[in-house]
Amino acid sequence: GEDVEQSLFLSVREGDSSVINCTYTDSSSTYLYWYKQEPGAGLQLLTYIFSNMDMKQDQRLTVLLNKKDKHLSLRIADTQTGDSAIYFCAAALYFGNEKLTFGTGTRLTIIP
Amino acid sequence: EAGVTQFPSHSVIEKGQTVTLRCDPISGHDNLYWYRRVMGKEIKFLLHFVKESKQDESGMPNNRFLAERTGGTYSTLKVQPAELEDSGVYFCASSLITTDEQFFGPGTRLTVL
Repeated sequence: GEDVEQSLFLSVREGDSSVINCTYTDSSSTYLYWYKQEPGAGLQLLTYIFSNMDMKQDQRLTVLLNKKDKHLSLRIADTQTGDSAIYFCAAALYFGNEKLTFGTGTRLTIIP
Repeated sequence: EAGVTQFPSHSVIEKGQTVTLRCDPISGHDNLYWYRRVMGKEIKFLLHFVKESKQDESGMPNNRFLAERTGGTYSTLKVQPAELEDSGVYFCASSLITTDEQFFGPGTRLTVL
């Protein structure tokens, strides 16, 4: 089965860029997602990328996918205190109607 | 529009007791998923309903867990009897049949003592 891995913690100074990395094992994974969880809240879908794409940009967020290495990253430009949260990488074989396989989550801490 | 709601937000029970968690999906969402995050580890899939039918229950850990979705609306997840290793945060998510995004509830934190 699919296995998704992330580092547990990341600290970044306010205004710098944050880069959160994720690796997955199943090359059949077709859709890769980034979710954000703020304290006391559910998971919020930030963005997703199809496996046939290399990059996707959405305002301050840039997702890079290296399918050969099965490596996914999320870059947050100009990191703000409101970006403090746990970020989960997730993979799915199909788009919609499909269970997600999550990583452990990366806790992003912003240093003032 | 109301989001996915879960009840209770927290539950503390003793080993051997029974607990029932409830999830109310977004109105009109036929897909309903249960996930669990144990002790800061990854979030793991438990099962998937399409309306009232169990589409995939491959993630259910054992027969102490029983999920139902009578009428295809809200769902319950019962743990009976609870064990220490069942402690964690149980998330529910829902989605439309035709779309991509799973909307998650805030989770129920279960502590088994």
